[in-house]
Amino acid sequence: SAVISQKPSRDICQRGTSLTIQCQVDSQVTMMFWYRQQPGQSLTLIATANQGSEATYESGFVIDKFPISRPNLTFSTLTVSNMSPEDSSIYLCSVGPGLGADTQYFGPGTRLTVL
Amino acid sequence: AQSVSQHNHHVILSEAASLELGCNYSYGGTVNLFWYVQYPGQHLQLLLKYFSGDPLVKGIKGFEAEFIKSKFSFNLRKPSVQWSDTAEYFCAVNSFSGGYNKLIFGAGTRLAVHP
Repeated sequence: SAVISQKPSRDICQRGTSLTIQCQVDSQVTMMFWYRQQPGQSLTLIATANQGSEATYESGFVIDKFPISRPNLTFSTLTVSNMSPEDSSIYLCSVGPGLGADTQYFGPGTRLTVL
Repeated sequence: AQSVSQHNHHVILSEAASLELGCNYSYGGTVNLFWYVQYPGQHLQLLLKYFSGDPLVKGIKGFEAEFIKSKFSFNLRKPSVQWSDTAEYFCAVNSFSGGYNKLIFGAGTRLAVHP
């Protein structure tokens, strides 16, 4: 399994600001995913990031709010833009080896609180 | 659209009791099924997975799950729980859509084991 790290592990931000979350993997992976876990709720996929192409966003999530970069096969960033208290969540990075019968592995998450 | 239902949101057991957590999915085609566990303060970890073959799969820490295609179910079991099994458990199904694999998660079941 891949070892995934995320920075920051937690942050408290003011309304209207933006935060960029970094995800680093210890091996090259094709697919990286970003999830949101709101308080007391399950995981919801925000977008899928494939190296060398634009991220694919799920219904309800847009690039202007959650821009994603995927500059290489071991790194991705998710930015939460123009934050509001409703964006307070845990944001998780996940990786999968590719198309087909994937197993996804998850990073430790970034706990974001927006005041 | 695919969905995953976990029937029990909170389960409280005493040590040595048997555990069964329900999971049903809605999809008629080939599925890959997963159980993930999130221990307090830790990140999401893969407990077990089913891709094909023997419908009874064994995972880490004595957990097992049975895939019953006719019932669209993938229930998680453990014959004797320990206090250290206190965690949140998520069932997930792999969805192949738009050229990408992605995981659809259930709402999660929070298990508390009392000594």
